[in-house]
Amino acid sequence: RKEVEQDPGPFNVPEGATVAFNCTYSNSASQSFFWYRQDCRKEPKLLMSVYSSGNEDGRFTAQLNRASQYISLLIRDSKLSDSATYLCVVRGRGSTLGRLYFGRGTQLTVWP
Amino acid sequence: EAGVAQSPRYKIIEKRQSVAFWCNPISGHATLYWYQQILGQGPKLLIQFQNNGVVDDSQLPKDRFSAERLKGVDSTLKIQPAKLEDSAVYLCASSLALAYQETQYFGPGTRLLVL
Repeated sequence: RKEVEQDPGPFNVPEGATVAFNCTYSNSASQSFFWYRQDCRKEPKLLMSVYSSGNEDGRFTAQLNRASQYISLLIRDSKLSDSATYLCVVRGRGSTLGRLYFGRGTQLTVWP
Repeated sequence: EAGVAQSPRYKIIEKRQSVAFWCNPISGHATLYWYQQILGQGPKLLIQFQNNGVVDDSQLPKDRFSAERLKGVDSTLKIQPAKLEDSAVYLCASSLALAYQETQYFGPGTRLLVL
């Protein structure tokens, strides 16, 4: 079983739409969670960390459900510039503390 | 602040040849990572250094891959001999330290095509 499972999409939405991505993780002891964004042929960049209480950064809202081992990202009022691949990421623990486990990414295209 | 630098940006080789990638992390970052990203997948960690020591190389195919970070700054990743399935983007990342919420910053990657 993969550490992080993510629906690859693609998601194609019009400007202004609200879109949600989900992922699940397998290690119940995990404590650090992130969403990274990767533009086409570019490197991944941290979009936001995900905290237990849920957190918001402008149009982006991240939620964590530890009981279900489920992470979500909500994008409101989508912009053309939001088109990218969104990677769900879980950090290892103990001897694998530095290791980031990436999902395969969910591709988003926002059209005018 | 300068980001993570990598070279070359692209490399095309034939199978069984050797290839080496270079990474210069963000100044002052003690932790350096090499990831492999195959098309359509998320990055997978190959090896992690803390200063010049290896912290985690459990996912490095050691029969053909090697990496070093001799002076605790720059790092090189080598593949010898290359196989077709090594075609991927090799990403170098660095972080200030090894901690739960420490952000990893990625370089632009080296795209390798093995023919």
